[in-house]
Amino acid sequence: DAGVIQSPRHEVTEMGQEVTLRCKPISGHNSLFWYRQTMMRGLELLIYFNNNVPIDDSGMPEDRFSAKMPNASFSTLKIQPSEPRDSAVYFCASGEGTANTEAFFGQGTRLTVV
Amino acid sequence: GNSVTQMEGPVTLSEEAFLTINCTYTATGYPSLFWYVQYPGEGLQLLLKATKADDKGSNKGFEATYRKETTSFHLEKGSVQVSDSAVYFCALILRMGGGATNKLIFGTGTLLAVQP
Repeated sequence: DAGVIQSPRHEVTEMGQEVTLRCKPISGHNSLFWYRQTMMRGLELLIYFNNNVPIDDSGMPEDRFSAKMPNASFSTLKIQPSEPRDSAVYFCASGEGTANTEAFFGQGTRLTVV
Repeated sequence: GNSVTQMEGPVTLSEEAFLTINCTYTATGYPSLFWYVQYPGEGLQLLLKATKADDKGSNKGFEATYRKETTSFHLEKGSVQVSDSAVYFCALILRMGGGATNKLIFGTGTLLAVQP
């Protein structure tokens, strides 16, 4: 398996533009997590899905952020409109959804909003 | 609430020194505990895990023991190498009821710098 695949790896956009980050989880995994990592706040859980259903989105910072998982093999995180303070590395992770198994992380998308 | 607390870094050591990175947790019930490592420019990778009290996880010379009495999961290595320089995250998975999935909660991370 190729692991969790995120795209793009790097994104530079202007303030006010819409940004869409994509994630393909590991086949067979039924949990999917979106994290944001910054120097100031560390690793923050934004939202997670179980069987394509959002379970907890309490970490989503504002209404400008939205996430979808239309099927078991694809998820998106959208920011509209983007702001400079959204600049961060965004990670997607997937797991089997049990307490004894770990989550597997993608390489991340480095977002820069100018 | 449920949380993970790690010692603040950076931790700077000379090669072959002994490493300890402290981690304590607060959780309802009995979580599973994990250490992840993040090398520069990469995503997080699982280093080791322990799923119940008194379990010891180990990998690549690193060890951590799940101590329920002290709610701790300290990471140790007897002799660090330059290649161990990375950020280390302690994490727990909180078992949710009702068939819901399990939430992975991370500490803030500890930067380890090993000098030759």
